[in-house]
Amino acid sequence: KNQVEQSPQSLIILEGKNCTLQCNYTVSPFSNLRWYKQDTGRGPVSLTIMTFSENTKSNGRYTATLDADTKQSSLHITASQLSDSASYICVVSGITGGFKTIFGAGTRLFVKA
Amino acid sequence: EAGVAQSPRYKIIEKRQSVAFWCNPISGHATLYWYQQILGQGPKLLIQFQNNGVVDDSQLPKDRFSAERLKGVDSTLKIQPAKLEDSAVYLCASSLFRRGGGPNTGELFFGEGSRLTVL
Repeated sequence: KNQVEQSPQSLIILEGKNCTLQCNYTVSPFSNLRWYKQDTGRGPVSLTIMTFSENTKSNGRYTATLDADTKQSSLHITASQLSDSASYICVVSGITGGFKTIFGAGTRLFVKA
Repeated sequence: EAGVAQSPRYKIIEKRQSVAFWCNPISGHATLYWYQQILGQGPKLLIQFQNNGVVDDSQLPKDRFSAERLKGVDSTLKIQPAKLEDSAVYLCASSLFRRGGGPNTGELFFGEGSRLTVL
């Protein structure tokens, strides 16, 4: 069964600190993995997208890593800001009987002053 | 470039009433999706259209939910009759479809969502 599991479920950090969010998946065969940021009351917005051959991708203070062998990804946020408070959703796409996209439940990040 | 447009943003109805949501995708995007997102969970796919044809509606509760995409552009999602457990945000997304794969294949662009509260 294709699954995407994220941890932790929620996280509270102080402004200026770094944090790392985890994503484990079982989707196979794998096509790409994306991290989305979803502010409260808004639709998800893409942060990074990685294919099988990519190990890391950065977007400003956000850096995503991918280990396709262990089927794990992480999203590292550097020097957190209050505006980073949001849900971060890991999305994995695979090709099984058509193009399938599986969403994780998300990690809820709270950045406190 | 205009993004995915959805309306209404908010809707409150009583159980057993009906409701309809509208979505206008990004121009040129052939694929359109409707997702249901319950508070604290990730989005769950309800239905996927490729142009005006249905690709995947396996998780759509067809006894009460219906969706159409006439002319392969705008789409509407209807719930009739609504139940309490239908309270959620209904997200519309669109994407380009590129044969042969590629890093942007299936990348989703979301609207702001329509928040439904069923009392």
